[in-house]
Amino acid sequence: AQTVTQSQPEMSVQEAETVTLSCTYDTSESDYYLFWYKQPPSRQMILVIRQEAYKQQNATENRFSVNFQKAAKSFSLKISDSQLGDAAMYFCAYRRPGNTPLVFGKGTRLSVIA
Amino acid sequence: GAGVSQSPSNKVTEKGKDVELRCDPISGHTALYWYRQSLGQGLEFLIYFQGNSAPDKSGLPSDRFSAERTGGSVSTLTIQRTQQEDSAVYLCASSLAWGSRYEQYFGPGTRLTVT
Repeated sequence: AQTVTQSQPEMSVQEAETVTLSCTYDTSESDYYLFWYKQPPSRQMILVIRQEAYKQQNATENRFSVNFQKAAKSFSLKISDSQLGDAAMYFCAYRRPGNTPLVFGKGTRLSVIA
Repeated sequence: GAGVSQSPSNKVTEKGKDVELRCDPISGHTALYWYRQSLGQGLEFLIYFQGNSAPDKSGLPSDRFSAERTGGSVSTLTIQRTQQEDSAVYLCASSLAWGSRYEQYFGPGTRLTVT
């Protein structure tokens, strides 16, 4: 079974600084998708960024980028120029091809210090 | 347009009572997913629907849990004889079609508290 591990239960960052959230996963599949979701206090999960395993280029969305290391099964999220609105729970998730559910890590709570 | 909505937002019930949680997916979305988010277990998958059918019910934690979807739209998750360990946030998500390339859009969840 696939598993996703987030080893940092909590992280904090100064406003305008950069922070990296770690994620590792375990799978025997060669084709899959990886995601980072943000969950603010409103509880609504918001997709931050996604990466297809077959793409070697790391995904980037504005201030958010990933470092995808397929051989190491590592998928970290870098948030640049952190803003107060970035404070939330961040979940790393994995998904096999097909109509399959997301498999989530346990999350990292990010605090942004003004 | 309107996103995924869930009702009620919060539900407090007594142990042993039945509860129904409702999910209204984004209009036109054919795939619908239920997840449970609890303190001890993180986020876990419960069940998904393709149209009105649920091909895989193995994620449901016990036979007290059931779900249905009617008209390819609204879905209801029912928990019978609730137990304290059922306390969690129940999240619903929908996607345009089945398949991993389609993004799942989440609702705000229902927080269930069993006293």
